Amino acid sequence: QQQVKQSPQSLIVQKGGIPIINCAYENTAFDYFPWYQQFPGKGPALLIAIRPDVSEKKEGRFTISFNKSAKQFSLHIMDSQPGDSATYFCAAINSGGYQKVTFGTGTKLQVIP
Amino acid sequence: DAGVTQSPTHLIKTRGQQVTLRCSPKSGHDTVSWYQQALGQGPQFIFQYYEEEERQRGNFPDRFSGHQFPNYSSELNVNALLLGDSALYLCASTLLGGSSYNEQFFGPGTRLTVL
Repeated sequence: QQQVKQSPQSLIVQKGGIPIINCAYENTAFDYFPWYQQFPGKGPALLIAIRPDVSEKKEGRFTISFNKSAKQFSLHIMDSQPGDSATYFCAAINSGGYQKVTFGTGTKLQVIP
Repeated sequence: DAGVTQSPTHLIKTRGQQVTLRCSPKSGHDTVSWYQQALGQGPQFIFQYYEEEERQRGNFPDRFSGHQFPNYSSELNVNALLLGDSALYLCASTLLGGSSYNEQFFGPGTRLTVL
């Protein structure tokens, strides 16, 4: 059962563009939503995270938008750079439970110079 | 602080063999979780260890087992390897406890290839 659905599977943007990655979840027990960035040969690294009582969170060039009623959230990367080329995973966690991370399927982003 | 470390980096085994992967958590962390990441997929939760006991298990067969040592380091064992076990195995550590969620930090993974 895919509890966190992510789209698109891949994305190509020009430098300076604003790639947007979308995710949707089913389990209403999830209450913490991190995004991870993964480069080839490396483990996932936390990029930014949000709780559902907040509709938007910005950290540097990265912004999460959260729609609790629709059970959807998205990542926007402002002024994207070639160094942002990586695979991005949305995730969801039930912080009151065992705190396992439920990942989306991933989006491979390529930023063209 | 070395962060989460895993060994070995790469491993090649044949079907039917057994393998042991190792993980050292980030300094100050007491909980270790293991994930399997197949090529082109998101990581899938295998199990979590806290106070040397398995706390929760994902949808993986009993061929997958683990252990946590008193120093919080952990091992993942896979018996009777199948071709489908080929994947990147990730270890994540955190400090469990309290009412808030503490971030999990991932290691670089062990790439297992089963021939």
